[in-house]
Amino acid sequence: KQEVTQIPAALSVPEGENLVLNCSFTDSAIYNLQWFRQDPGKGLTSLLLIQSSQREQTSGRLNASLDKSSGRSTLYIAASQPGDSATYLCAVSNFGNEKLTFGTGTRLTIIP
Amino acid sequence: DAGVIQSPRHEVTEMGQEVTLRCKPISGHDYLFWYRQTMMRGLELLIYFNNNVPIDDSGMPEDRFSAKMPNASFSTLKIQPSEPRDSAVYFCASTRGPVQPQHFGDGTRLSIL
Repeated sequence: KQEVTQIPAALSVPEGENLVLNCSFTDSAIYNLQWFRQDPGKGLTSLLLIQSSQREQTSGRLNASLDKSSGRSTLYIAASQPGDSATYLCAVSNFGNEKLTFGTGTRLTIIP
Repeated sequence: DAGVIQSPRHEVTEMGQEVTLRCKPISGHDYLFWYRQTMMRGLELLIYFNNNVPIDDSGMPEDRFSAKMPNASFSTLKIQPSEPRDSAVYFCASTRGPVQPQHFGDGTRLSIL
């Protein structure tokens, strides 16, 4: 059974700093990995999707990497802003399966 | 484009009552997912559909839960009878396919008293 872990559960950093969020998974036979953000009282917004054949994806100030062999992914946020404050979740799907298994998320606070 | 639309946004009801949650996926999306989010268990997949057909309902906790998708633009999740431990935020999501990102609605916050 796939298990997804995100550490730390919460993170606070000053505005302007670069930061890295971590995600690890137990079963490396994944189909894709997605990073989402969730704002309070809202649904999830997809940020980046990395397919199993890819090593990384970039969107603006966000860069996500994937290392299947070690069962890890990182989300790099450059030049953080207060608007980046949210909970960030990673999720993986395994081959032959459209189901996503979610981590418990990292609650990020950017301090102005 | 309109996103995934869920209703109601909030529901408060007494134990034993029937609860029906509704979802309208994004037009053209062939997959629809129902999730439940709690502090204790995080985000869990309950059931998902492909082209209106239920594919995997292994996450449905009990027979009290049922889901239908009568057409490509509408799905319901029903709980009968409801219990306090069903209190959670229920999300609906849709996607074009397994290599496409899932789009979530804003959820229904359900409180069973």
